[in-house]
Amino acid sequence: SQKIEQNSEALNIQEGKTATLTCNYTNYSPAYLQWYRQDPGRGPVFLLLIRENEKEKRKERLKVTFDTTLKQSLFHITASQPADSATYLCALGPRFGSARQLTFGSGTQLTVLP
Amino acid sequence: EPEVTQTPSHQVTQMGQEVILRCVPISNHLYFYWYRQILGQKVEFLVSFYNNEISEKSEIFDDQFSVERPDGSNFTLKIRSTKLEDSAMYFCASSRLDRGLYHDNEKLFFGSGTQLSVL
Repeated sequence: SQKIEQNSEALNIQEGKTATLTCNYTNYSPAYLQWYRQDPGRGPVFLLLIRENEKEKRKERLKVTFDTTLKQSLFHITASQPADSATYLCALGPRFGSARQLTFGSGTQLTVLP
Repeated sequence: EPEVTQTPSHQVTQMGQEVILRCVPISNHLYFYWYRQILGQKVEFLVSFYNNEISEKSEIFDDQFSVERPDGSNFTLKIRSTKLEDSAMYFCASSRLDRGLYHDNEKLFFGSGTQLSVL
């Protein structure tokens, strides 16, 4: 069955450092992968989308990579700030069907310490 | 910035009762979704809706669930006879459908959710 794993449920880093979050998947061949941010009691907020034919994408302090051979995506936040503290979710997009049924990982809770 | 709005924010109901969760998607979006998140667990897909019909649904979305777009703005999720295990945060989401190859149409905009508690 499909499996998505995100590294360690919780990650603590010092302000100003780069946070690196990992998303690994098995038994799946996604057409694209997305990263969302979720704050407590709120809905996920879209951050980045990367397609299977793309290696890397950037948006301001965020960078995502996608390695379909390793079946892995890395999500980086550079120059991290306490305001970046949240749970980060990766979500895989299907190759077939309407291509809009996302499968989410369980998330990594990031805490940026001042 | 336009956003997806959901009402109510909290809903408490007795087991076996019917509940209707309401959502107003972003006005120019054409795809609508319901996802749910049981406390401490993953966000799970329930159903997608396009052109006034269900596009896809998961195994969770059984005969007790239904969706409707009763007018041009609202999108509802009905649970006919609630069970204890239906207790969860229910998220509505919407996405657009732009023509062309280079638009992130798969990007979802989520509402803040309705916390459903079945007693």
